[in-house]
This record gives sequence, C-alpha cells and structure tokens, in this order.
Amino acid sequence: EAEVAQSPRYKITEKSQAVAFWCDPISGHATLYWYRQILGQGPELLVQFQDESVVDDSQLPKDRFSAERLKGVDSTLKIQPAELGDSAMYLCASSRSRDRNSNTGELFFGEGSRLTVL
Amino acid sequence: AQSVTQLDSQVPVFEEAPVELRCNYSSSVSVYLFWYVQYPNQGLQLLLKYLSGSTLVKGINGFEAEFNKSQTSFHLRKPSVHISDTAEYFCAVSRRNSGGSNYKLTFGKGTLLTVNP
Repeated sequence: EAEVAQSPRYKITEKSQAVAFWCDPISGHATLYWYRQILGQGPELLVQFQDESVVDDSQLPKDRFSAERLKGVDSTLKIQPAELGDSAMYLCASSRSRDRNSNTGELFFGEGSRLTVL
Repeated sequence: AQSVTQLDSQVPVFEEAPVELRCNYSSSVSVYLFWYVQYPNQGLQLLLKYLSGSTLVKGINGFEAEFNKSQTSFHLRKPSVHISDTAEYFCAVSRRNSGGSNYKLTFGKGTLLTVNP
C-alpha cells in the first residue's frame, strides 16, 4: 500500500540552528499539507500546496519557516533559526484530488518528524 | 470559521466495555466530518468519515459514529473495546467551499483513550 514518506523521523537540534524536513506524498496526490502537532494537542495546518503552488500558508510563521514543493511532488519544510517553542511533531499529509467533488478532506498522513529543540 | 471541541481529554475504560468519545463542531456552512486515530509516535489514520447520506457511519476496527446536525455533534462509539484500541483519537471538520475544493481540515485537541485489562 502506498504511503506518505517523511524524514527524518527524529531530529534533535539546538536553538538558533537550521532544520529541514522532507516529505514525499503518495504518487499522484496533487495536494500536500504540512501540519504541526504540539504534544497533547491536535494537528494545526502550517501550509498547503496544490501541485507546486501554495494555497494556504496563513498559519506559517514566515519569519522563520519556509516550505517549497518545486516540482509539485516532494516537499521540504525548513525552520531557521529554530526556537524552543518549535519542539513538536511535524506531519506531512497528502490527498488525492483537486476536484471539489472528490477532495473531501480525507488525508493520508506520514509517520511524522519529531523535532526537539534544546 | 469552524471549530471542533472534543469534550474529554482522557477516557479510561476497561477492556470489553463500551466507549463513547464526544465531538461537537461549529460551522456556518455544510461540513464533512472525520475521526482519525493516532498511535504513539505515528501519523494519523482515518477511522471513518461522514460526507452525506446515512447519519450512522461505520468505520474500521468496529468503530461507528453518528452525525447529529441539530446538536452539531459527531460522537464516536465502540460497543466493546480492546487493549489495542489504546490511542489518541481526533475529530476533524472539513469545510465545504462554495467556490473551490473541500480541503481545509480542522482538528480537535484529541481524546486519549486508555483501555485497561
């Protein structure tokens, strides 16, 4: 069964360092999402891509976070510089279609990248 | 705007007992509703979804949920739980856009279900 691939699974870094996460969605999925999940809370959307275009980054802290999906396939989320409050699980998800009749919000999630900032 | 409220942050139950995890939502437009499950250090997996039609929805692992429009609720139930059901459960709402895709999923804060022997 096809899966969303994420790396690294775990990352420990010191504050003020740069960190990057990679995601490869299920083949053919046009929409890609990055969520942040702080311990004990639900996931919160950081950024959403439709193919290579950003369609929602309203909750992305743009002073330190950036995301790209240059060829409309895999994606990278970067944090520079990392802060203590960035410690969280970063989840990537993808969904099948851009058509409103079939893109119902059923997302397929990767296993996540857990970031610890010291 | 839409929001999701999961009324219980933790629900401990004994094995083979029934369980209900509560979820209420608010939205000014029609929505799609979901329950996801998350096992420790893993991503989220879809349990079930309500898109339209019958208000009683059956999902994987013996779970079901009932959509109640008048009470804006979507409670998750299982008649007999197993130890392996221990996990975090998230209710989520996807808002239907009149002019575009149904794509933004908003999650509740989660309910930790702990099944004890």
